[in-house]
Amino acid sequence: SQKIEQNSEALNIQEGKTATLTCNYTNYSPAYLQWYRQDPGRGPVFLLLIRENEKEKRKERLKVTFDTTLKQSLFHITASQPADSATYLCALSKPGTYKYIFGTGTRLKVLA
Amino acid sequence: ETGVTQSPTHLIKTRGQQVTLRCSSQSGHNTVSWYQQALGQGPQFIFQYYREEENGRGNFPPRFSGLQFPNYSSELNVNALELDDSALYLCASSRNIGTEGEKLFFGSGTQLSVL
Repeated sequence: SQKIEQNSEALNIQEGKTATLTCNYTNYSPAYLQWYRQDPGRGPVFLLLIRENEKEKRKERLKVTFDTTLKQSLFHITASQPADSATYLCALSKPGTYKYIFGTGTRLKVLA
Repeated sequence: ETGVTQSPTHLIKTRGQQVTLRCSSQSGHNTVSWYQQALGQGPQFIFQYYREEENGRGNFPPRFSGLQFPNYSSELNVNALELDDSALYLCASSRNIGTEGEKLFFGSGTQLSVL
């Protein structure tokens, strides 16, 4: 069955450093991979979308890579700030399907 | 803020009861999807409604049902509540049915507790 794995352990980093979060998947060939941010008690908020034919996407301090051979996406936050502390979810989908498959999320804490 | 509103924000029910959750989609969006998020887990797809018809369903039993109205707002109904139904229920709207990777706009969710 389809499986998505994200670091289940919380990630603590110092302010100003680069945070790197991992999303690995098996038994699936997504065309689209999205990253969302979720704060406690709130719904996820869309951050970035990357397509299978794109290797890298950037938006301000955020960078996403997508390696369909390794079946992995990396999500980077550069110059991290305490306000970046949240849970980050990856979600996969493919053409012709309406269902987005979400990972369990990684909780990031940026220490001042 | 996404413009997707859900009500109520919190709800407490007892086992065996029925519940209705409501969602108003973002202006211009014709598709609503519902997700269940258990504590410490990612959202799990329940079903999607597109132009008032169910467009797809995840691995949830028939006691989970829904509706979409002409204004694209939606309801999620759960009958015969079980303890495991306790979760955050998220509504997400999108401009289309998601076959091109459209981003989802989520509401803040309804926290359902079943005692």
